[in-house]
Amino acid sequence: RKEVEQDPGPFNVPEGATVAFNCTYSNSASQSFFWYRQDCRKEPKLLMSVYSSGNEDGRFTAQLNRASQYISLLIRDSKLSDSATYLCVVNSISSGSARQLTFGSGTQLTVLP
Amino acid sequence: GEEVAQTPKHLVRGEGQKAKLYCAPIKGHSYVFWYQQVLKNEFKFLISFQNENVFDETGMPKERFSAKCLPNSPCSLEIQATKLEDSAVYFCASSPQFDEPYGYTFGSGTRLTVV
Repeated sequence: RKEVEQDPGPFNVPEGATVAFNCTYSNSASQSFFWYRQDCRKEPKLLMSVYSSGNEDGRFTAQLNRASQYISLLIRDSKLSDSATYLCVVNSISSGSARQLTFGSGTQLTVLP
Repeated sequence: GEEVAQTPKHLVRGEGQKAKLYCAPIKGHSYVFWYQQVLKNEFKFLISFQNENVFDETGMPKERFSAKCLPNSPCSLEIQATKLEDSAVYFCASSPQFDEPYGYTFGSGTRLTVV
């Protein structure tokens, strides 16, 4: 089982639609959680951090459920420019040597005109 | 600078040749990370540094891959005797601290093609 799992998609949605992405992680010692966006094999760029209380940034809402080890990203009123691959990323600190960002395989979103 | 600078952007090597990639982290960032991205978006962690010290090297294929971060020099990732499966985009990221709540900043990557 992968440490961070995402639905690979692709998600093809019309402009204005609401779309939700899910992610689960297996390492209960994980400390920090992020959604990154990657366009056409360019570098990943931080979209938002994810906090236990949930957080919102404009049209984007992120949720974290530590008990279920589940992270979500909701995009409202999607725009053409939202088309990208969305990466769920977990920063784990454990007693072992696994101390790095672990990436999900990404969910591809295409917003259609 | 305020960006992570990676060079070169593209690198083509014949099988068996050496490849060397460079990364200049953002000034003041103590942590540097190297990732390899192959097809289908799979990111593989290679190695991390805290200043010039190796922080975590659990992802490094030890027999052909090596990396350094020396004072006053860009960090480097070197692959001896490249293989076809080394073809990938290599991303470097930096952070002011390990548990960075604002995420890490990535460079634009070096695309290595082994032919």
